[in-house]
Amino acid sequence: KAGVTQTPRYLIKTRGQQVTLSCSPISGHRSVSWYQQTPGQGLQFLFEYFSETQRNKGNFPGRFSGRQFSNSRSEMNVSTLELGDSALYLCASSLVPPSGGGNTIYFGEGSWLTVV
Amino acid sequence: DAKTTQPTSMDCAEGRAANLPCNHSTISGNEYVYWYRQIHSQGPQYIIHGLKNNETNEMASLIITEDRKSSTLILPHATLRDTAVYYCIVRLYSGGGADGLTFGKGTHLIIQP
Repeated sequence: KAGVTQTPRYLIKTRGQQVTLSCSPISGHRSVSWYQQTPGQGLQFLFEYFSETQRNKGNFPGRFSGRQFSNSRSEMNVSTLELGDSALYLCASSLVPPSGGGNTIYFGEGSWLTVV
Repeated sequence: DAKTTQPTSMDCAEGRAANLPCNHSTISGNEYVYWYRQIHSQGPQYIIHGLKNNETNEMASLIITEDRKSSTLILPHATLRDTAVYYCIVRLYSGGGADGLTFGKGTHLIIQP
């Protein structure tokens, strides 16, 4: 059974550009969450989607957005990139939303974004 | 979700059991204890979770104290590949909204050859 797949794995963007990251959850999983990991702030929750609806959002500016498609695949977008957006972006999937009980959340390998 | 406290780092000899403690003294009755680990530059890997009873799987054992205020993750025969940051997370079992998983600093486990 394939795990959570994220693309691209590595990318370099210029300040001011925008970026779109993609995530394919484990087959059958309908909840997708996104996290940002930086050396200074650690792992931080960005947002969570279930059935194409954003259910929860972390404390990030509006430049960070996402969406989920009917097949549960998800994308996140960061507009007007800043140097501080350089990070590992992680996608996680689960059968039901994280708040729905003791179900397991599985993470992908992440997308490394470098903003120059 | 309840807050957890873990040691910053630990060493363990290869082949020995690695015992990683976690304190979650404010845990409530319906909160689960989860363990993940993250090897450098990779996504967090699920290890195990439990509510009240001790749990064991092919990777590790989870021992939760009777009062549920602390737990220990046990890697029975540590190998060099177990060197990683280990995160203990307490998560609510509820239909209510959640702010995702809250990761602390974790424990950097170093397996010594």
